[in-house]
Amino acid sequence: SQELEQSPQSLIVQEGKNLTINCTSSKTLYGLYWYKQKYGEGLIFLMMLQKGGEEKSHEKITAKLDEKKQQSSLHITASQPSHAGIYLCGAPRDRWNDMRFGAGTRLTVKP
Amino acid sequence: DAGVIQSPRHEVTEMGQEVTLRCKPISGHNSLFWYRQTMMRGLELLIYFNNNVPIDDSGMPEDRFSAKMPNASFSTLKIQPSEPRDSAVYFCASRAGTGNTEAFFGQGTRLTVV
Repeated sequence: SQELEQSPQSLIVQEGKNLTINCTSSKTLYGLYWYKQKYGEGLIFLMMLQKGGEEKSHEKITAKLDEKKQQSSLHITASQPSHAGIYLCGAPRDRWNDMRFGAGTRLTVKP
Repeated sequence: DAGVIQSPRHEVTEMGQEVTLRCKPISGHNSLFWYRQTMMRGLELLIYFNNNVPIDDSGMPEDRFSAKMPNASFSTLKIQPSEPRDSAVYFCASRAGTGNTEAFFGQGTRLTVV
């Protein structure tokens, strides 16, 4: 079973709209990563969250970590077609090593 | 730096043949990961190395799969014999240190076994 559950699985929004993607872990989080993938390409690192309550932003993308709830949210403001792709959250299974991913959220932004 | 380099980008092979996927991590990175991505199962961790030593290979699906890292700048993932269900995109990623640093991914190898 997935240790990282992402929701929704897919999302279609109109350009300019805001959206939120969620990632929930069934185990203790020792940091959480967000990546973006375009079809046929590798994963591109977006941001990393390490501490409960931490919030980071990159351009119009903001991610937050709620350590107590073992979940993270990724919010995109005023979405653009360039935001389209698959967003994946990843987390180490233990404190030091590896990195496993959720199933991903496929985002489509309609012009 | 050129990033993580994987070869080949595409591979089509017949069932039963041996397949070798190659990865060159970013110089100075001491952790290396092999992943497999399919529509059905998403991105699965197959094996990861730290300082060239395999740490956890519990994700390797079967004995047909093997991975090596003979030195810090090269790793291989071998499938022998290959089967149609092995068709997927295989990614290699590397990271500096352990713990909370980001991993950098290669462009992947798209494997098709017919």
